Parts: sequence; structure tokens; C-alpha cells
Amino acid sequence: GENVEQHPSTLSVQEGDSAVIKCTYSDSASNYFPWYKQELGKRPQLIIDIRSNVGEKKDQRIAVTLNKTAKHFSLHITETQPEDSAVYFCAARPHSGYALNFGKGTSLLVTP
Amino acid sequence: DVKVTQSSRYLVKRTGEKVFLECVQDMDHENMFWYRQDPGLGLRLIYFSYDVKMKEKGDIPEGYSVSREKKERFSLILESASTNQTSMYLCASNLGGVGNTIYFGEGSWLTVV
Repeated sequence: GENVEQHPSTLSVQEGDSAVIKCTYSDSASNYFPWYKQELGKRPQLIIDIRSNVGEKKDQRIAVTLNKTAKHFSLHITETQPEDSAVYFCAARPHSGYALNFGKGTSLLVTP
Repeated sequence: DVKVTQSSRYLVKRTGEKVFLECVQDMDHENMFWYRQDPGLGLRLIYFSYDVKMKEKGDIPEGYSVSREKKERFSLILESASTNQTSMYLCASNLGGVGNTIYFGEGSWLTVV
């Protein structure tokens, strides 16, 4: 089945800096790649997603890039703020599947 | 606003007990999922269902079963709870099709003693 690797597992940045989280996937037929943010004690919530026919997508301070050839995708957060502190999960959905396969998560800490 | 509701947020059960975790969604979603979340292991799929009475095993189905008798309700069952099933359980749902957002419930924290 699909295997999603996520790095780093922890990331600490200063407020205003950029943060980048990277994921790789194993199934070249995967076609949908969402990113979820989970604040402490809360449910994971979708923050951005990208389909396999798109190379990049932006939403204000958040962007996701996809390299299908290399089978990796990345989350970029610019001008980080303390409220960006959370655990971030990448995921991939295999072409023939219903469910998402998740990476193990990145704990992002933004210090003032 | 999509709502996925897990009826029990915090449970403490004894080893060997039968445990039911209930999940209800109010958006007429075809697909429903149960994930388990453990520190350092991310979210792992236990079971999912793409229609009433239909179910498929995920990556870690051992020790679990599920039931979907109505479209809006998906139950996770631990037939005989064990301490290694102490975890956070997340229910989720979405419409069928590529790119349809998966929405999560608040989670159920289960402790087996």
C-alpha cells in the first residue's frame, strides 16, 4: 500500500521566519495530497490540498508544491506566527483508494 | 458546516471489556473512516466504509470490528479491549470522489486499564 514519509518530526522557528515540511509517497498513481493542521486537543483540520495535475497552490501565507516525478510534496508557511504552532500532517490518497494515508506528523513551534 | 460527532470524548475501560465507539455525520457522506492516533505514529487507518453495510480493512484492523447499519453512523467495536488499544480514535467522513475533503470528529480518548 501507499507509504507516506514526513520530515522533520519537529521544527522550531522564530516568528516571522518561514517553515517547510516535506513528504514523500510511494504510490506513483496517488492523485490527491492534503495537509492537515492539528492544534493541541483538537481535531485535524484541512488547511490546503493539491491534486496530481497541479504543481503548486497558494493560500495567503501557505503554499504546497508537488513534484510527481520525484514523488514528493512540501508545505511552505511564510511569515510564521505563534498561532501556527501545531502538528501538521501530510497525506496521500492512492488512485484506487478511498482513504488517506498519513505521514507521522511534524510538530511546529513558532517562538515569539 | 460539516459535523462529525463522536459521542464519547473520554473513556476508561477494563481489559477484556467490549467497547463501542460511536460516530455520526450529518452531511450525507458516503465514506466514513476510523483512524487511530498515537504519538510518533501519526494517523493509522483501522477500517473504512464506502456505503451502508460495506466495510474494508485498513492498515491495522486486528482487534477491531466496525458496523455501518445507517449511512450517517459508523461504529468501531473493540471485542475484547487490551491495554495496547489505549489511544486516541478519530472518526472521519467525506463524499465520494477525488479531492473531497475528509472531515474529522473531535476524537475519543480511550484508556484501557
